[in-house]
Amino acid sequence: NAGVTQTPKFQVLKTGQSMTLQCAQDMNHEYMSWYRQDPGMGLRLIHYSVGAGITDQGEVPNGYNVSRSTTEDFPLRLLSAAPSQTSVYFCASSYSTGQVSYEQYFGPGTRLTVT
Amino acid sequence: ILNVEQSPQSLHVQEGDSTNFTCSFPSSNFYALHWYRWETAKSPEALFVMTLNGDEKKKGRISATLNTKEGYSYLYIKGSQPEDSATYLCAFTDGSSNTGKLIFGQGTTLQVKP
Repeated sequence: NAGVTQTPKFQVLKTGQSMTLQCAQDMNHEYMSWYRQDPGMGLRLIHYSVGAGITDQGEVPNGYNVSRSTTEDFPLRLLSAAPSQTSVYFCASSYSTGQVSYEQYFGPGTRLTVT
Repeated sequence: ILNVEQSPQSLHVQEGDSTNFTCSFPSSNFYALHWYRWETAKSPEALFVMTLNGDEKKKGRISATLNTKEGYSYLYIKGSQPEDSATYLCAFTDGSSNTGKLIFGQGTTLQVKP
């Protein structure tokens, strides 16, 4: 199994550009989520999904969109990039639906810089 | 807004020292408490997931305890080694709704000197 994969690993955007961060998992996990990691702030939840067709907002959803058309894929879209979105983005997945009582598996991360 | 607090923020110990960190979380509507180990330039990896008050879990020299009534968990490392240097994250999920949100603390960064 490849586990959780993310592409790209690095990306530089100009303010106002849009892009999609890709996340895929091959473990048949129902639960998937996106986090951003900023210095001194740990991991903050952006959006999550408890199954195909179901998504919901986390702590910091503004400026990001998600969709979940398949169990395997959970892309994160930046609609109009801003310097405040410069961060490292992690995708994670887990067996559990609804309540999160199983460990999360994390992807390798995408380092995004917005100039 | 759910608040998960970890202390200390950072810790420097000598090789062979034993150490412990604290994670505080809301005691109402508890569902699960996770601990993750995060090495620099890598992804977080799960250490433990605990769901029952009084749970104790162990993996090698690392162990964790859980008190859901008072809202805290301790992570212990016995005889720290340089390879234990990492950031240790705890994360909490509540049972107030069927949403599955996992909220992380800011982490405790451990540096073990040889």
